Amino acid sequence: ILNVEQSPQSLHVQEGDSTNFTCSFPSSNFYALHWYRWETAKSPEALFVMTLNGDEKKKGRISATLNTKEGYSYLYIKGSQPEDSATYLCAPVNFGNEKLTFGTGTRLTIIP
Amino acid sequence: EAQVTQNPRYLITVTGKKLTVTCSQNMNHEYMSWYRQDPGLGLRQIYYSMNVEVTDKGDVPEGYKVSRKEKRNFPLILESPSPNQTSLYFCASSLGDRGFSYEQYFGPGTRLTVT
Repeated sequence: ILNVEQSPQSLHVQEGDSTNFTCSFPSSNFYALHWYRWETAKSPEALFVMTLNGDEKKKGRISATLNTKEGYSYLYIKGSQPEDSATYLCAPVNFGNEKLTFGTGTRLTIIP
Repeated sequence: EAQVTQNPRYLITVTGKKLTVTCSQNMNHEYMSWYRQDPGLGLRQIYYSMNVEVTDKGDVPEGYKVSRKEKRNFPLILESPSPNQTSLYFCASSLGDRGFSYEQYFGPGTRLTVT
């Protein structure tokens, strides 16, 4: 089972501010990294699937970067809105362990 | 509407009473998977299926069974539930027979309590 760390565990951000958080994972045998957004009382929804070192993906105000050589990914949210309040999960996939291993998530709360 | 459905959404049962949680997807996805979510832990994979009649164990398969007789359905069976199986369960599906190359679509979840 892969060792996946997400930091911080929780975060409170003022509405309108930008924020970012980290997903760390083993860099060896890397295949892909998934990001999901999970709102309370709902089910996780996919944000990004990233595979290439240096890749950057964007969806609206949310973007993510990937460094496969050092084993980390950043998720950025620009101009936070109350609807961004959720838990953000990352899940790396490695060759030889070909399934998603989820981190425990970063719980983001936007303060109006 | 493209979706993954699970039933029931909530279930309270007693130790040892066999139960089945159904999962169905209408997106013609090859890959389907079951996860459980417990406080303080990440989503953990129970079983997965790359296609019809092809299933394999995930990280926490003990106490569970699955079957994949049709592409759209992937039921989770607890033959003799125990209190440590009290959890929130999610079914998910994905394009491709590998599942990890594409985004996963999650069902609404089933909250199971075993007393």
